[in-house]
Amino acid sequence: EDQVTQSPEALRLQEGESSSLNCSYTVSGLRGLFWYRQDPGKGPEFLFTLYSAGEEKEKERLKATLTKKESFLHITAPKPEDSATYLCAVQAGQGGSEKLVFGKGTKLTVNP
Amino acid sequence: DTEVTQTPKHLVMGMTNKKSLKCEQHMGHRAMYWYKQKAKKPPELMFVYSYEKLSINESVPSRFSPECPNSSLLNLHLHALQPEDSALYLCASSQALFQRQFFGPGTRLTVL
Repeated sequence: EDQVTQSPEALRLQEGESSSLNCSYTVSGLRGLFWYRQDPGKGPEFLFTLYSAGEEKEKERLKATLTKKESFLHITAPKPEDSATYLCAVQAGQGGSEKLVFGKGTKLTVNP
Repeated sequence: DTEVTQTPKHLVMGMTNKKSLKCEQHMGHRAMYWYKQKAKKPPELMFVYSYEKLSINESVPSRFSPECPNSSLLNLHLHALQPEDSALYLCASSQALFQRQFFGPGTRLTVL
């Protein structure tokens, strides 16, 4: 069964304290892995797409990496405005049996 | 224009009411989605339209009825809902099936 597991479920950081969020997956036929950020009561906001092992993407304080079994979202020197739930989603399958599987998310709180 | 709009923002309805949620995008995307999201849970896929045709129905109860009048519009018709259907309903679109999705702000639905 296709599965996406995010850890930790919740993470509290002090402003400036760097850390990483994990997304591990077991799917058949990885097509792409997506990271989204979601603020309470709002729709998810796209951050990154990763397609193959070894790929890295960066945006401001965020850096996403991908291996054959997991992805990391590294947050460098976070600020309070980085507080949100970070969702990982994996596009898997092919030719009419494609699907998108979401992880349960990591709720990040950055204290000033 | 990289925006997905949803109306209304909030909706309160009784179990005997009939209402509709609306979603619109003008990015030329050919895939559109409806998701249901309960508090502290990831989005749960309900329906997928690809090239204006329903391609995926994730065993959603018939009290939810999707409609895609044209390539820019997506509706979700609601009838005889239950209190447990109260949730944030998200619409999303993507250039192709299950690729990077752009989410709308959601409709907060409360069923009394």
